[in-house]
Amino acid sequence: ELKVEQNPLFLSMQEGKNYTIYCNYSTTSDRLYWYRQDPGKSLESLFVLLSNGAVKQEGRLMASLDTKARLSTLHITAAVHDLSATYFCAVDRNSGNTPLVFGKGTRLSVIA
Amino acid sequence: DVKVTQSSRYLVKRTGEKVFLECVQDMDHENMFWYRQDPGLGLRLIYFSYDVKMKEKGDIPEGYSVSREKKERFSLILESASTNQTSMYLCASNSPLGPQPQHFGDGTRLSIL
Repeated sequence: ELKVEQNPLFLSMQEGKNYTIYCNYSTTSDRLYWYRQDPGKSLESLFVLLSNGAVKQEGRLMASLDTKARLSTLHITAAVHDLSATYFCAVDRNSGNTPLVFGKGTRLSVIA
Repeated sequence: DVKVTQSSRYLVKRTGEKVFLECVQDMDHENMFWYRQDPGLGLRLIYFSYDVKMKEKGDIPEGYSVSREKKERFSLILESASTNQTSMYLCASNSPLGPQPQHFGDGTRLSIL
């Protein structure tokens, strides 16, 4: 059974600082997704990572995938208040187009 | 842009009622999904469908059923609502062609009294 673990689950960080959110998963997969959820809103797709070593960047967020370690990271550079949200990683159950298994989410608060 | 529309943002029902949650997508996606989201538990898959009239159980199907009579519409049914089904329900869809992210609706916050 595929399990997806994120840490930390809660993160409070100061504006301007850097931090990394980790996503570990338990079985082989080469498809990993990152989503953002603002309070009271739905999930918005951020990144799709499809192969070992994949790296994607958008603004102050950079995501990477290491399929051998079964690990993805979401790195935040010079955080700003607008990045405050809950971030989820999700993994395909196998290599086909099958339902995702989500981590429990990391609630990020960026404070001045 | 993909649009996934859930019929209600907020819904209050009583224990024992039959509850229908509706979801419509406008991108001709074959795949549709229903999740519930609870604090500390993340998103859990209830049911999904790969095509019209097809349905598959997810991780927590007990107490729920689904209907997919048309490609664009996927309904979640609570046969006899119970208080432990109070939750946020999210519908999603995507295309089966290649690895595609799921597109989510705004969610329905359902309270069972």
